[in-house]
Amino acid sequence: SSELTQDPAVSVALGQTVRITCQGDSLRSYYASWYQQKPGQAPVLVIYGKNNRPSGIPDRFSGSASGNTASLTITGAQAEDEADYYCNSRDSSGKHLGVFGAGTKVTVL
Amino acid sequence: EVQLVESGGGLVKPGGSLRLSCAASGFTFSSYSMNWVRQAPGKGLEWVSSISSSSSYINYADSVKGRFTISRDNAKNSLYLQMNSLRAEDTAVYYCAREVEEQWLVIHCWYFDLWGRGTLVTVSS
Repeated sequence: SSELTQDPAVSVALGQTVRITCQGDSLRSYYASWYQQKPGQAPVLVIYGKNNRPSGIPDRFSGSASGNTASLTITGAQAEDEADYYCNSRDSSGKHLGVFGAGTKVTVL
Repeated sequence: EVQLVESGGGLVKPGGSLRLSCAASGFTFSSYSMNWVRQAPGKGLEWVSSISSSSSYINYADSVKGRFTISRDNAKNSLYLQMNSLRAEDTAVYYCAREVEEQWLVIHCWYFDLWGRGTLVTVSS
């Protein structure tokens, strides 16, 4: 079982705001990173650290964290944002292993 | 161009072996820790293994420990994954990914900023 918990699916109307959450004990020591994956493609990093976007990621993507919960927010969702989103961090064992959440499918209506 | 390109996937029988490779280009490979991440058909991402820049630190997911071996050759800018005793549940697309780890005050940040396109491994009789 995953040590990072994500909701399986969310939907958002075009142009509206959606927030995806990720919960886990390791998030008290690690910022979550977030990845977007479209069908048949490799994952792409969209948020890392407290709230950092790699070059080329639109500023409608933002991240936040509080306690054991990390959030990814898409403000003004676009059709091209429809994808699976995964959170990731080290696990909580202290053994420097990695863990991904099970993923959240975002549907843009 | 900064990129990672995996190769070596294919069809293998249960109990068989396969060696994956990941060729890095466009960046100083020897400065980065590297990872393997896999994705079974229709499933989510699963972290598999990591190796530090000098190969001093290596970690494995429990699901592959004792069967898979990660290695790298910095002179060849290449990452490898030797997979032995393969099982049907190892069927997946295997991605190599470049790791970045930072510490900001008391909080760590660990993420993969560059991914390859993946190579498919199918374990079936």
